[in-house]
Order: sequence, then C-alpha cells, then structure tokens
Amino acid sequence: DGGITQSPKYLFRKEGQNVTLSCEQNLNHDAMYWYRQDPGQGLRLIYYSQIVNDFQKGDIAEGYSVSREKKESFPLTVTSAQKNPTAFYLCASSIRDGSYGYTFGSGTRLTVV
Amino acid sequence: KNQVEQSPQSLIILEGKNCTLQCNYTVSPFSNLRWYKQDTGRGPVSLTIMTFSENTKSNGRYTATLDADTKQSSLHITASQLSDSASYICVVSSGSYQLTFGKGTKLSVIP
Repeated sequence: DGGITQSPKYLFRKEGQNVTLSCEQNLNHDAMYWYRQDPGQGLRLIYYSQIVNDFQKGDIAEGYSVSREKKESFPLTVTSAQKNPTAFYLCASSIRDGSYGYTFGSGTRLTVV
Repeated sequence: KNQVEQSPQSLIILEGKNCTLQCNYTVSPFSNLRWYKQDTGRGPVSLTIMTFSENTKSNGRYTATLDADTKQSSLHITASQLSDSASYICVVSSGSYQLTFGKGTKLSVIP
C-alpha cells in the first residue's frame, strides 16, 4: 500500500528541548511539505521541498528546521527557539508542484510539558 | 492578501439530511479549488479538485460547485451519514506550491 507515514502520533516535549518529527512516503512523490494546524486556524506552511537536498521556507519557518537527504523522507525538527510549539503537525507529499493534489499523513500532535 | 472564508463555522444535522457548506475566496491568480475532509486527529483527505473551467464535480454523495466569476464554491452532502462527521476544508491554489487554506466547517451528524 502506498502512503505517507508520520511518527510518532503523539509527542511530548519539555521546554528547551529539540524534537524531531518523522515523515516517510512511498508514493514516489517529488515534493514534500510540513504544515502546522492550530485550533480555529487554517493550515500554515512551515517548509517544503521540491527535490532531494533542497527545501524552501514557508510562512512560519522560524524555530523549525528540515532536511531532505532521501526522496522518501522529510523530517521536521522543532527547536527550542520555537516559542509556541504545541500544535498538530501535518506532513504532505505531491507529484511535482502539487497541481494534482496533496496526500497528507495522519499527523503528529506535539505538546510541550 | 489571499484569503479563503468558510461558512458556517460549525453545523449540526440529522442523519439522512442534506447540507451545503460554503467557501468564498479572494485568491489571485487562481489555479484550482480543493475540498478536503478531515476526521478529528487525522490528516485531510481529498474529496474534489476543480479547475477554472469546471462548474461541478461529484465524488459519491459529495458534490462541489465552483463559480469562478463570484469566487464562490459550495460542497453539498446528500443523505448524510454518521461517518460524515468531520471538518471540511476548502483550499485554493494560486500556483506551484501556493495554497491558501480555509479554517474549515465542522460538521456533526447526529442520529
């Protein structure tokens, strides 16, 4: 079955710690994305990557970092510089520029304790 | 600034009834409009994608309409089921990698 897998589903972080969220896809999609979802708000783009070893900042990249060493993988690191990291994080992938739509993962809920 | 406004914010309907969700957008340029269904705690799942030239597109009991002149779209759900309870998100694409998301309409279908 082709799909996009995010792990873990739930993650707890102490203040001052960095955490990494995993995103893996076996759809052979070129592009991958990270979004943040907060209650009552639309999804906001954190980072996206069109090809391996290349990525672009989205609207809210501050306090986050990514890497794209393999086509299948696009991990997101939430650093201690992100002041309000508690949110639902969604990874997505698409063929080329996403004109044919995005496939989303099932999300990771990050909570700062 | 590109914006997508959805109404109502939330809606409660009885099982078996029909409902219509609205989406108004001010996005330029316009590439396509998408409707997604998002179950609580899950990722969004695509229902329809409509380009400028398409007025109507159906996916089972879901029918989306698009009026590009008035920049309005609607999602009509026929004969609702309990499993239709979810948030429905309208998304407008303005080109490569450029998406504007609405805040969603939360639909609750009750028996």
